[in-house]
Amino acid sequence: DAGVTQSPTHLIKTRGQQVTLRCSPKSGHDTVSWYQQALGQGPQFIFQYYEEEERQRGNFPDRFSGHQFPNYSSELNVNALLLGDSALYLCASRQTGAGNTIYFGEGSWLTVV
Amino acid sequence: AQSVTQPDIHITVSEGASLELRCNYSYGATPYLFWYVQSPGQGLQLLLKYFSGDTLVQGIKGFEAEFKRSQSSFNLRKPSVHWSDAAEYFCAVGAISSGGGADGLTFGKGTHLIIQP
Repeated sequence: DAGVTQSPTHLIKTRGQQVTLRCSPKSGHDTVSWYQQALGQGPQFIFQYYEEEERQRGNFPDRFSGHQFPNYSSELNVNALLLGDSALYLCASRQTGAGNTIYFGEGSWLTVV
Repeated sequence: AQSVTQPDIHITVSEGASLELRCNYSYGATPYLFWYVQSPGQGLQLLLKYFSGDTLVQGIKGFEAEFKRSQSSFNLRKPSVHWSDAAEYFCAVGAISSGGGADGLTFGKGTHLIIQP
Protein backbone atom coordinates (compact mmCIF):
# COMPACT_ATOMS: atom_id res chain seq x y z
CA ASP A 1 0.00 0.00 0.00
CA ALA A 2 1.67 3.18 -1.19
CA GLY A 3 1.72 6.06 1.22
CA VAL A 4 1.37 9.70 0.27
CA THR A 5 3.34 10.34 -2.91
CA GLN A 6 4.47 13.72 -4.17
CA SER A 7 6.06 14.97 -7.37
CA PRO A 8 8.44 16.35 -8.33
CA THR A 9 10.89 15.74 -5.50
CA HIS A 10 13.10 18.70 -6.38
CA LEU A 11 12.72 21.67 -8.70
CA ILE A 12 14.28 25.04 -9.36
CA LYS A 13 12.25 28.01 -10.58
CA THR A 14 12.97 31.65 -11.32
CA ARG A 15 11.34 34.56 -9.52
CA GLY A 16 8.02 35.50 -11.09
CA GLN A 17 7.40 32.05 -12.54
CA GLN A 18 4.60 29.69 -11.60
CA VAL A 19 4.88 26.18 -10.18
CA THR A 20 2.56 23.20 -9.79
CA LEU A 21 3.20 20.48 -7.23
CA ARG A 22 1.28 17.21 -7.19
CA CYS A 23 0.13 14.84 -4.48
CA SER A 24 -1.51 11.42 -4.45
CA PRO A 25 -3.02 10.60 -1.07
CA LYS A 26 -2.70 7.32 0.72
CA SER A 27 -5.20 4.73 -0.49
CA GLY A 28 -8.60 5.25 1.11
CA HIS A 29 -7.88 8.84 2.16
CA ASP A 30 -10.18 11.60 0.98
CA THR A 31 -8.82 14.70 2.73
CA VAL A 32 -5.61 16.36 1.56
CA SER A 33 -3.67 19.21 3.17
CA TRP A 34 -0.61 21.15 2.08
CA TYR A 35 2.14 22.57 4.27
CA GLN A 36 5.15 24.78 3.65
CA GLN A 37 8.32 24.10 5.63
CA ALA A 38 11.07 26.69 5.38
CA LEU A 39 14.59 25.63 6.27
CA GLY A 40 14.98 25.24 10.03
CA GLN A 41 11.29 25.82 10.74
CA GLY A 42 8.23 23.74 11.48
CA PRO A 43 5.67 23.13 8.75
CA GLN A 44 3.02 25.81 8.22
CA PHE A 45 -0.49 24.91 7.11
CA ILE A 46 -1.46 26.27 3.69
CA PHE A 47 -4.87 24.74 3.02
CA GLN A 48 -7.00 21.62 3.18
CA TYR A 49 -9.21 20.02 0.51
CA TYR A 50 -12.15 17.69 0.92
CA GLU A 51 -14.76 16.76 -1.68
CA GLU A 52 -12.89 18.89 -4.21
CA GLU A 53 -13.38 22.06 -2.20
CA GLU A 54 -11.00 24.14 -0.10
CA ARG A 55 -12.29 23.66 3.44
CA GLN A 56 -9.74 25.52 5.50
CA ARG A 57 -6.93 27.92 4.75
CA GLY A 58 -3.91 29.10 6.67
CA ASN A 59 -2.30 32.52 6.51
CA PHE A 60 -1.05 32.39 2.93
CA PRO A 61 -1.67 34.87 0.09
CA ASP A 62 -3.90 34.20 -2.90
CA ARG A 63 -0.80 33.38 -4.95
CA PHE A 64 -1.15 29.96 -3.35
CA SER A 65 -4.03 28.00 -4.82
CA GLY A 66 -4.98 24.38 -5.07
CA HIS A 67 -7.22 21.81 -6.54
CA GLN A 68 -8.52 18.39 -5.63
CA PHE A 69 -9.58 15.92 -8.27
CA PRO A 70 -12.35 13.29 -8.14
CA ASN A 71 -9.74 10.60 -7.38
CA TYR A 72 -8.72 12.67 -4.30
CA SER A 73 -5.32 13.63 -5.70
CA SER A 74 -4.37 17.26 -5.35
CA GLU A 75 -2.27 20.03 -6.82
CA LEU A 76 -0.68 23.05 -5.22
CA ASN A 77 -0.09 26.04 -7.49
CA VAL A 78 2.05 29.01 -6.60
CA ASN A 79 2.05 32.06 -8.89
CA ALA A 80 4.50 34.94 -9.13
CA LEU A 81 7.18 33.08 -7.20
CA LEU A 82 9.25 34.97 -4.64
CA LEU A 83 12.63 34.02 -3.21
CA GLY A 84 10.86 33.47 0.10
CA ASP A 85 8.75 30.71 -1.41
CA SER A 86 11.82 28.46 -1.39
CA ALA A 87 10.88 25.63 0.96
CA LEU A 88 9.89 22.01 1.34
CA TYR A 89 6.23 21.58 0.42
CA LEU A 90 4.56 18.72 2.23
CA CYS A 91 1.32 17.02 1.35
CA ALA A 92 -0.67 15.22 4.04
CA SER A 93 -3.71 13.01 3.77
CA ARG A 94 -6.22 11.38 6.09
CA GLN A 95 -9.54 9.65 5.99
CA THR A 96 -12.51 11.71 7.13
CA GLY A 97 -13.58 10.80 10.62
CA ALA A 98 -12.57 11.10 14.21
CA GLY A 99 -9.12 10.05 15.29
CA ASN A 100 -7.81 9.17 11.88
CA THR A 101 -4.08 9.46 11.45
CA ILE A 102 -2.62 12.16 9.21
CA TYR A 103 0.12 10.82 6.95
CA PHE A 104 2.74 13.01 5.29
CA GLY A 105 4.57 12.58 2.03
CA GLU A 106 8.30 13.17 1.69
CA GLY A 107 7.75 16.54 0.11
CA SER A 108 8.77 18.59 -2.88
CA TRP A 109 11.82 20.80 -2.50
CA LEU A 110 11.30 24.11 -4.30
CA THR A 111 14.19 26.50 -4.85
CA VAL A 112 13.41 29.93 -6.27
CA VAL A 113 16.39 31.78 -7.77
CA ALA B 1 -5.57 31.11 17.69
CA GLN B 2 -3.74 27.92 18.46
CA SER B 3 0.00 27.82 19.02
CA VAL B 4 2.73 25.37 19.99
CA THR B 5 5.94 26.11 21.87
CA GLN B 6 8.91 23.79 21.94
CA PRO B 7 11.26 25.54 24.36
CA ASP B 8 14.36 23.51 23.50
CA ILE B 9 15.90 24.16 20.09
CA HIS B 10 18.65 21.57 20.60
CA ILE B 11 19.00 18.72 23.09
CA THR B 12 22.03 16.46 23.46
CA VAL B 13 21.59 13.08 25.13
CA SER B 14 23.98 10.19 25.62
CA GLU B 15 23.05 6.92 23.98
CA GLY B 16 21.13 4.77 26.46
CA ALA B 17 20.03 7.74 28.55
CA SER B 18 16.43 8.81 29.00
CA LEU B 19 14.86 11.60 26.98
CA GLU B 20 12.13 14.16 27.52
CA LEU B 21 11.17 16.73 24.88
CA ARG B 22 8.90 19.53 26.00
CA CYS B 23 5.82 20.82 24.24
CA ASN B 24 3.36 23.46 25.41
CA TYR B 25 0.27 24.35 23.44
CA SER B 26 -2.34 27.05 23.42
CA TYR B 27 -5.83 26.11 22.31
CA GLY B 28 -9.28 27.05 23.51
CA ALA B 29 -10.89 23.62 23.52
CA THR B 30 -9.85 20.00 23.64
CA PRO B 31 -7.02 19.68 21.16
CA TYR B 32 -5.72 16.92 19.00
CA LEU B 33 -2.02 16.58 19.80
CA PHE B 34 0.72 14.94 17.79
CA TRP B 35 4.43 14.25 17.82
CA TYR B 36 6.21 13.81 14.50
CA VAL B 37 9.83 12.98 13.72
CA GLN B 38 11.74 14.17 10.67
CA SER B 39 15.12 12.88 9.51
CA PRO B 40 17.26 15.14 7.31
CA GLY B 41 15.73 15.64 3.88
CA GLN B 42 12.72 13.49 4.71
CA GLY B 43 9.02 13.97 5.34
CA LEU B 44 7.30 13.65 8.69
CA GLN B 45 6.65 10.36 10.45
CA LEU B 46 3.98 10.16 13.14
CA LEU B 47 5.30 8.94 16.49
CA LEU B 48 2.06 9.19 18.45
CA LYS B 49 -1.17 11.11 18.80
CA TYR B 50 -3.67 12.08 21.48
CA PHE B 51 -7.34 12.45 20.62
CA SER B 52 -9.16 11.54 23.81
CA GLY B 53 -9.18 9.03 26.64
CA ASP B 54 -6.06 7.87 28.45
CA THR B 55 -3.71 10.80 28.86
CA LEU B 56 -0.60 8.61 28.57
CA VAL B 57 -0.22 7.52 24.97
CA GLN B 58 2.20 5.00 23.56
CA GLY B 59 3.77 5.41 20.16
CA ILE B 60 6.19 3.75 17.84
CA LYS B 61 9.91 3.23 18.48
CA GLY B 62 9.40 3.11 22.26
CA PHE B 63 8.16 6.70 22.61
CA GLU B 64 5.36 7.82 24.89
CA ALA B 65 3.77 11.17 25.71
CA GLU B 66 1.55 12.46 28.47
CA PHE B 67 -1.23 14.98 28.00
CA LYS B 68 -1.53 17.33 30.98
CA ARG B 69 -4.46 19.66 30.49
CA SER B 70 -3.69 21.72 33.62
CA GLN B 71 -0.22 22.51 32.28
CA SER B 72 -1.18 22.68 28.59
CA SER B 73 1.66 20.28 27.93
CA PHE B 74 2.27 17.18 25.85
CA ASN B 75 5.84 16.11 26.58
CA LEU B 76 7.50 13.28 24.68
CA ARG B 77 9.58 10.70 26.56
CA LYS B 78 11.73 7.69 25.85
CA PRO B 79 13.45 5.63 28.56
CA SER B 80 16.58 4.79 26.58
CA VAL B 81 17.62 6.51 23.35
CA HIS B 82 19.43 4.92 20.44
CA TRP B 83 21.78 6.63 17.97
CA SER B 84 19.09 6.21 15.31
CA ASP B 85 16.79 8.54 17.29
CA ALA B 86 18.87 11.55 16.23
CA ALA B 87 16.46 13.70 14.22
CA GLU B 88 14.18 16.73 14.37
CA TYR B 89 11.07 16.34 16.53
CA PHE B 90 7.92 18.37 16.03
CA CYS B 91 4.93 18.77 18.32
CA ALA B 92 1.67 19.78 16.66
CA VAL B 93 -1.87 20.71 17.67
CA GLY B 94 -5.00 20.46 15.58
CA ALA B 95 -8.58 21.61 15.93
CA ILE B 96 -11.39 19.12 15.71
CA SER B 97 -13.09 19.43 12.33
CA SER B 98 -16.79 19.10 11.70
CA GLY B 99 -16.11 15.64 10.35
CA GLY B 100 -14.35 14.61 13.54
CA GLY B 101 -10.81 14.55 12.23
CA ALA B 102 -8.06 17.06 12.80
CA ASP B 103 -8.06 20.27 10.81
CA GLY B 104 -4.88 21.98 9.66
CA LEU B 105 -2.14 21.40 12.19
CA THR B 106 -0.09 24.08 13.92
CA PHE B 107 3.49 22.93 14.48
CA GLY B 108 6.15 24.03 16.90
CA LYS B 109 9.55 25.06 15.57
CA GLY B 110 11.03 21.70 16.44
CA THR B 111 13.69 20.28 18.73
CA HIS B 112 16.90 18.96 17.22
CA LEU B 113 17.99 15.82 19.06
CA ILE B 114 21.68 14.94 19.10
CA ILE B 115 22.82 11.57 20.42
CA GLN B 116 26.29 11.31 21.94
CA PRO B 117 28.02 7.90 21.80
